[in-house]
Amino acid sequence: SQTIHQWPATLVQPVGSPLSLECTVEGTSNPNLYWYRQAAGRGLQLLFYSVGIGQISSEVPQNLSASRPQDRQFILSSKKLLLSDSGFYLCAWRDGGGMEKLFFGSGTQLSVL
Amino acid sequence: LAKTTQPISMDSYEGQEVNITCSHNNIATNDYITWYQQFPSQGPRFIIQGYKTKVTNEVASLFIPADRKSSTLSLPRVSLSDTAVYYCLVGDTGAGNMLTFGGGTRLMVKP
Repeated sequence: SQTIHQWPATLVQPVGSPLSLECTVEGTSNPNLYWYRQAAGRGLQLLFYSVGIGQISSEVPQNLSASRPQDRQFILSSKKLLLSDSGFYLCAWRDGGGMEKLFFGSGTQLSVL
Repeated sequence: LAKTTQPISMDSYEGQEVNITCSHNNIATNDYITWYQQFPSQGPRFIIQGYKTKVTNEVASLFIPADRKSSTLSLPRVSLSDTAVYYCLVGDTGAGNMLTFGGGTRLMVKP
């Protein structure tokens, strides 16, 4: 069966520090991968999605970047965090062959202080 | 992209049936309609998906009229544990398409 791993679960970082969040998927190949962010009490904002290794699409201009160095690995990064980067970050995948069902990771709660 | 509109919040009582409607006036031919449930500090989880008419599974039903410009998630006999945020997502089944969520509906089930 397929599983998605996302870590760390919580993270507290000072403003201006770098960020690296990792997401890996097991049990499937060539998945579509997604990074979402959720501010407290708000909806899900799509940040990045990827259809394959090295292929990244960005939805909003921001202080973040994403990379997909391997088929089932998706990384969210920042060189210098801002206060506004605080939030709940979720990684998700879906079958690369279609069908819209998304599977989400457990999320990372990021607090930038 | 088909934009979705849902009520911000709804209240219900245990044992009642809850219907949450989502509007998606510019839904495209290839778009499916999918509903997710999210508890605090967790990722959303899939509830049900449909293209047209009615779909039913062990937890919910999804009603989609012929014009597909709206859909209704029906939760039978809700319990306190159904208190969550419910999201309607409309998107193309084609690979590589971005999947954008709306604001969701916060359902509060009271005893």
